Amino acid sequence: AQSVTQPDIHITVSEGASLELRCNYSYGATPYLFWYVQSPGQGLQLLLKYFSGDTLVQGIKGFEAEFKRSQSSFNLRKPSVHWSDAAEYFCAVGPISNDYKLSFGAGTTVTVRA
Amino acid sequence: GAVVSQHPSRVICKSGTSVKIECRSLDFQATTMFWYRQFPKQSLMLMATSNEGSKATYEQGVEKDKFLINHASLTLSTLTVTSAHPEDSSFYICSARDRGLNTGELFFGEGSRLTVL
Repeated sequence: AQSVTQPDIHITVSEGASLELRCNYSYGATPYLFWYVQSPGQGLQLLLKYFSGDTLVQGIKGFEAEFKRSQSSFNLRKPSVHWSDAAEYFCAVGPISNDYKLSFGAGTTVTVRA
Repeated sequence: GAVVSQHPSRVICKSGTSVKIECRSLDFQATTMFWYRQFPKQSLMLMATSNEGSKATYEQGVEKDKFLINHASLTLSTLTVTSAHPEDSSFYICSARDRGLNTGELFFGEGSRLTVL
């Protein structure tokens, strides 16, 4: 069965500082990996995704993530956070099949201090 | 990009009544839609998979008679919470897969917050 672990429940970072959110997955084959962001009371917005190819993927809003198969990780990074990056971040893994179910991590809340 | 719209965004109802939430794909056809429930400060819990023209597939522990799902067209799925009770209060989110894309990407609605008094 597939599963996703986000070890950090809450991260506080200063505006302008770098940010890294951890994600580890368990899956029996090559996964599809996603990072979504959720602002309070809103749905989820896709930041970036990895299907194959270059293991360093670029996303929207200046985010990037690196797929490391040996570590079963897909960590999200941003070099310099903005106050608007305060939100909930979810890592998700999905199968390469027709059901397209995603398994979500528990989420990491990011707080940005001035 | 693909847009998924949910309606209503917020609904308050009395205990015992039924509430319908709509999930629409605005600019693409969605053969598959998913319904999730999210409790405060928690992740998304998949409730069911809605397939156009067929019965929904419910996850273990989700009462199909309580949460009725209908996917009558390629752009609309509805979730009806029947005989709602306060414990059904939650944030419900839908997502949809674009039948024209052979990727694992899902597009999410804005969510619907249900409060049962």
